[in-house]
Amino acid sequence: DTEVTQTPKHLVMGMTNKKSLKCEQHMGHRAMYWYKQKAKKPPELMFVYSYEKLSINESVPSRFSPECPNSSLLNLHLHALQPEDSALYLCASSQGAARGNQPQHFGDGTRLSIL
Amino acid sequence: SQQGEEDPQALSIQEGENATMNCSYKTSINNLQWYRQNSGRGLVHLILIRSNEREKHSGRLRVTLDTSKKSSSLLITASRAADTASYFCATAPHPNTGNQFYFGTGTSLTVIP
Repeated sequence: DTEVTQTPKHLVMGMTNKKSLKCEQHMGHRAMYWYKQKAKKPPELMFVYSYEKLSINESVPSRFSPECPNSSLLNLHLHALQPEDSALYLCASSQGAARGNQPQHFGDGTRLSIL
Repeated sequence: SQQGEEDPQALSIQEGENATMNCSYKTSINNLQWYRQNSGRGLVHLILIRSNEREKHSGRLRVTLDTSKKSSSLLITASRAADTASYFCATAPHPNTGNQFYFGTGTSLTVIP
């Protein structure tokens, strides 16, 4: 079992649908991350939240909209996705404001398929 | 891209042998970390080495870092079938204003029982 919980584990959606991915951690971490991972490729950083504020957006298309309602929760809102957005979406957390000097804890991801 | 590169891309060894994988990166770093990913799962942190450290050990893992060559290596000694996984290095660039990390291309390790 991981300490970062992601729901749902699997999601199939059409290109016109709106859905959300959720991530939760109760380790008191203040930095949270979204990554996208295609098969047999490394995770690609999408967004970083530090102390509930968006600190990094790696030029992600606006059809992906992150939200950090509180220090334990991270959402990724999806709208009008394309088939190439099909991937494993990973959430991670680490102790905040550490200039990247702390390990990240990952959830097991949401496997997203766009029809 | 700030992504690092790892080699080999794939490695197959017999149980009990040692496995070595290498990571090269492009920018100045605060630290470098190694992660393992089992098929269909999230990543698990293995070890962190800071930019002012040259070598670090954790159990059967040994990591080296050469900042002058912008490279790191991960050695797994006395491998086990359970070590079969993908291994990624991740760098925290310097300066690091947003807690960002960038992963290398990964090495797929297969340990044959």
